Amino acid sequence: QVTLKESGTGILQPSQALSLTCSFSGFSLSTTGICVSWIRQPSGKGLEWLADICWDDGKGYNPSLKNRLSISKDTSNNQAFLKITSVDTADTATYYCARNTYYGYYYVMDAWGQGASVTVSS
Amino acid sequence: DIQMTQSPPVLSASVGDRVTLSCKASQNINKNLDWYQQKHGEAPKLLIYYTNNLQTGIPSRFSGSGSGTDYTLTISSLQPEDVATYYCYQYNSGNTFGAGTKLELK
Repeated sequence: QVTLKESGTGILQPSQALSLTCSFSGFSLSTTGICVSWIRQPSGKGLEWLADICWDDGKGYNPSLKNRLSISKDTSNNQAFLKITSVDTADTATYYCARNTYYGYYYVMDAWGQGASVTVSS
Repeated sequence: DIQMTQSPPVLSASVGDRVTLSCKASQNINKNLDWYQQKHGEAPKLLIYYTNNLQTGIPSRFSGSGSGTDYTLTISSLQPEDVATYYCYQYNSGNTFGAGTKLELK
């Protein structure tokens, strides 16, 4: 059974750094074709893809946020991490991590965590 | 950046109706498109991957089609449990979600 769970700083002030952890089971980030993606959703709004990291340590970032994002992984402990620097109120959202599997010419993002709520407020 | 435009933003339909949701990309995305369903307070759920492949466990009343820039999610017979917001998502170039279509019961 594949499960993912997000955790991180619940409330932070503008200009601080947000650190998020995705703890997962049922798959390994060392398996060929496996990636973990981060997606966020402000309350009442749509989904925004942020970043991903793959089995080969390949990384991708949303160009509009690239300078503020850093993604990493701990394969041994089945965790992926996302750091967002210099947060402001626009970063208030629910943050999801998801497993994304590459099948040669398409991906399948088939398992999501329950989401972690983050509030940025002074 | 590829922009994804979903229409309509809100759709009201009756139980048993055939429902069609549209997603248009700003350029060819080579069928690299998924559909997600999100119910209130829940994480998104994958319905359709790579344009027309039904995810395991998803009812067969859901289907996807399309090519190039135009893609469609169809629900053949709307059920009450299908009330949700539906998002398309492209990963052909960068990664972009559409703004969603909110499906309501009439």
